[in-house]
Amino acid sequence: DAGVTQSPTHLIKTRGQQVTLRCSPKSGHDTVSWYQQALGQGPQFIFQYYEEEERQRGNFPDRFSGHQFPNYSSELNVNALLLGDSALYLCASSSGQGSTDTQYFGPGTRLTVL
Amino acid sequence: ILNVEQSPQSLHVQEGDSTNFTCSFPSSNFYALHWYRWETAKSPEALFVMTLNGDEKKKGRISATLNTKEGYSYLYIKGSQPEDSATYLCAFHNFNKFYFGSGTKLNVKP
Repeated sequence: DAGVTQSPTHLIKTRGQQVTLRCSPKSGHDTVSWYQQALGQGPQFIFQYYEEEERQRGNFPDRFSGHQFPNYSSELNVNALLLGDSALYLCASSSGQGSTDTQYFGPGTRLTVL
Repeated sequence: ILNVEQSPQSLHVQEGDSTNFTCSFPSSNFYALHWYRWETAKSPEALFVMTLNGDEKKKGRISATLNTKEGYSYLYIKGSQPEDSATYLCAFHNFNKFYFGSGTKLNVKP
């Protein structure tokens, strides 16, 4: 049983460019959450997708958008990249929307913005 | 912005020592408190999901307690081993949002 997978592993972009990160949830999971982890900080919640809709959003600008597909996989898009967007982007999947649902994390995508 | 704090920031112990760290969170609008272990070059791994005041959970040598009224949770590791070296994160969960602390980095020396 494959766990949560993310692609690509690493990515280098320049300021102003756009980037798309991808996540495949653990088998049987229908909820995907995205996080940004800057150096020395804990993961910051970006948003959560359930049934192809954004269910909740953290304090991130509209430059950060996402999508969930019918197979529950998800994409995170970031437009007009800034140097401060350099971070590890984590995807986590869970089953259902309940607060007790355990999240399973992927290995992350390391984004560097030059 | 909701504040979740973890202390200490880092901890160095000898193999065999027992240790504990703290996660502080708002005591209002509590849904659940999650603990994760994050080893270098791996994905964060869920340890516990705690929902009720007074909850105690245990997994091998690791245990956790929860006090929702005063807004804190303790994670205990009994007889630390080098393989316990990792960053331990807590996350406060409400209204389908997750608020993580910055983590406690544990280093266990053989």
